[in-house]
Amino acid sequence: DIQMTQSPSTLSASVGDRVTITCRASQSISSWLAWYQQKPGKAPKLLIFQASTLESGVPSRFSGSGSGTEFTLTISSLQPDDFATYYCQQYITLGTFGQGTKVEIK
Amino acid sequence: EVQLVESGGGLVQPGGSLRLSCAASGFTFSSYWMTWVRQAPGKGLEWVANIKQDGSDKYYVDSLKGRFTISRDNAKNSLYLQMNSLRVEDTAVYYCARDYGSGSYYPFWGQGTLVTVSS
Repeated sequence: DIQMTQSPSTLSASVGDRVTITCRASQSISSWLAWYQQKPGKAPKLLIFQASTLESGVPSRFSGSGSGTEFTLTISSLQPDDFATYYCQQYITLGTFGQGTKVEIK
Repeated sequence: EVQLVESGGGLVQPGGSLRLSCAASGFTFSSYWMTWVRQAPGKGLEWVANIKQDGSDKYYVDSLKGRFTISRDNAKNSLYLQMNSLRVEDTAVYYCARDYGSGSYYPFWGQGTLVTVSS
């Protein structure tokens, strides 16, 4: 099974900060990676697919990069609405999620 | 508009069974793989199972094989998850999700249904 590891688990940041979250796969997944945002009590929301393609309607301050086993999600200028938990997901073989990264207010 | 509405959650004793349903609308249900994802309280997302458009292929996370069964009824636009021999650690919100195509990422999610396994 493919394991997905995110870091950090928690990130404290301020509005306007540039934020980067890393996701590592236990084996190569090419670019078969998605990123989701989840707020308490809500279903996850797709942000990025194919490692770097922004889902329609998602603000351009979100971006994704990487291929193979290492990937990053970057928020260029953190906004109040962005405080949430973020998950990566591989979909080359079934689907495995990372353990999540909570972005909290500093 | 794509809509996914889960139902069937509730309180069940350890060892019991429960059947979850997901009613789909706003798209051609029979054209898409469908998936169940769960989330234990305060924990991360866990991929559970998915099923091919015609129900001919089904895949499960290794830890659940043999206890959970995914199925679908394309005539009723519905997805199901039969859960047997439930354990306390199966307590979670269960989401159904529709992929983009060919078993991929998930642009569409239901609101989730809570399953609580407790004596």
